[in-house]
Amino acid sequence: DTGVSQNPRHKITKRGQNVTFRCDPISEHNRLYWYRQTLGQGPEFLTYFQNEAQLEKSRLLSDRFSAERPKGSFSTLEIQRTEQGDSAMYLCASSLTGGYGYTFGSGTRLTVV
Amino acid sequence: KQEVTQIPAALSVPEGENLVLNCSFTDSAIYNLQWFRQDPGKGLTSLLLIQSSQREQTSGRLNASLDKSSGRSTLYIAASQPGDSATYLCAVIDTGTASKLTFGTGTRLQVTL
Repeated sequence: DTGVSQNPRHKITKRGQNVTFRCDPISEHNRLYWYRQTLGQGPEFLTYFQNEAQLEKSRLLSDRFSAERPKGSFSTLEIQRTEQGDSAMYLCASSLTGGYGYTFGSGTRLTVV
Repeated sequence: KQEVTQIPAALSVPEGENLVLNCSFTDSAIYNLQWFRQDPGKGLTSLLLIQSSQREQTSGRLNASLDKSSGRSTLYIAASQPGDSATYLCAVIDTGTASKLTFGTGTRLQVTL
């Protein structure tokens, strides 16, 4: 297992378009998280899954954002009708229950033009 | 709401110097505290995890301490090297959630030759 994998690494999109990111966690980790990080700030929590169940969503996750984790394996994060304010690094992480072994992926950098 | 603060925001030291990074948090009901390293444009690498019942953890030249009652943690880096140049992030997992991380804004460290 090579860690948490995120694709794509970079995405440039026009305002109003939809984008989807993928995250493949460490296989034995039952928890998967999405965070967003803007320049000069620490990552902010968006949502997390335990197996296939989405257990918590941040207020930051507006109606234009949706995340799924079918079958408790990989996860996708979709942003509909992108806005310039969505430009950020989107980080995925996985862990065991209790936060043990928290491992981050390299992130997907989104630029909305 | 948990808030995490890191001081200083940036630090520049000559190679070989020992240094201390500070982290404070407002709610002492934490499950654990973690220190991460982030290189420019990259994801996060976990450095040290301290459980709420522990006082410190060590890994190589790094030593992290935790004083839960005062809401403080420090990361001590001994004999700094240019390769230590990065942003260091402190994050806590609250007892209530035992899952999501709340991050500080980080300390950007530069170690000069």
